[in-house]
Amino acid sequence: KAGVTQTPRYLIKTRGQQVTLSCSPISGHRSVSWYQQTPGQGLQFLFEYFSETQRNKGNFPGRFSGRQFSNSRSEMNVSTLELGDSALYLCASSHSGLAAPLAKNIQYFGAGTRLSVL
Amino acid sequence: DQQVKQNSPSLSVQEGRISILNCDYTNSMFDYFLWYKKYPAEGPTFLISISSIKDKNEDGRFTVFLNKSAKHLSLHIVPSQPGDSAVYFCAASEAGTYKYIFGTGTRLKVLA
Repeated sequence: KAGVTQTPRYLIKTRGQQVTLSCSPISGHRSVSWYQQTPGQGLQFLFEYFSETQRNKGNFPGRFSGRQFSNSRSEMNVSTLELGDSALYLCASSHSGLAAPLAKNIQYFGAGTRLSVL
Repeated sequence: DQQVKQNSPSLSVQEGRISILNCDYTNSMFDYFLWYKKYPAEGPTFLISISSIKDKNEDGRFTVFLNKSAKHLSLHIVPSQPGDSAVYFCAASEAGTYKYIFGTGTRLKVLA
């Protein structure tokens, strides 16, 4: 069974540009979450989608947005990039999301997209 | 505010000895806790979890302990192996919030 796939693996952008990251969840998983990882900050929750609906959102500015498609694939968009947006962006999928029985809540992560903003 | 804290950024342990990684949380509504392991250039890998109705869960060399009154979680690895060298994250979730809150991670180094 294929794991969570994130593309691209690496990106270099300049300030002011926008970027779109893609995530394909494990087959059968309907929940997709996005996280930002920076040194010393751990994984910061961005948002979670289930059946094309955003169910929760972290404390990030509106420049960060996402969406989920009917096949559960998800994209994350960052507009007007800033230097501080340089980070590893991780996507995780789970079978049923956090409202489900606990064993189905476990999130499985992709390898991430490393974004560098110059 | 940091609801999940891992106060030790790093830990070194001799091969064969016990590794104990700690995690503290502040939200008493958290009802599910997990540990993930992360190698460089890879995403976090699920290791072990525990529900708030339990105080211990064991899986092979890995045991997670939960002390709800102290709001404290720990991961024990016995015996530690060089391949366990990685960054370990604890995470917590609250029913109905659809998100995990992660700690900042502890880098474990197991010395051969």
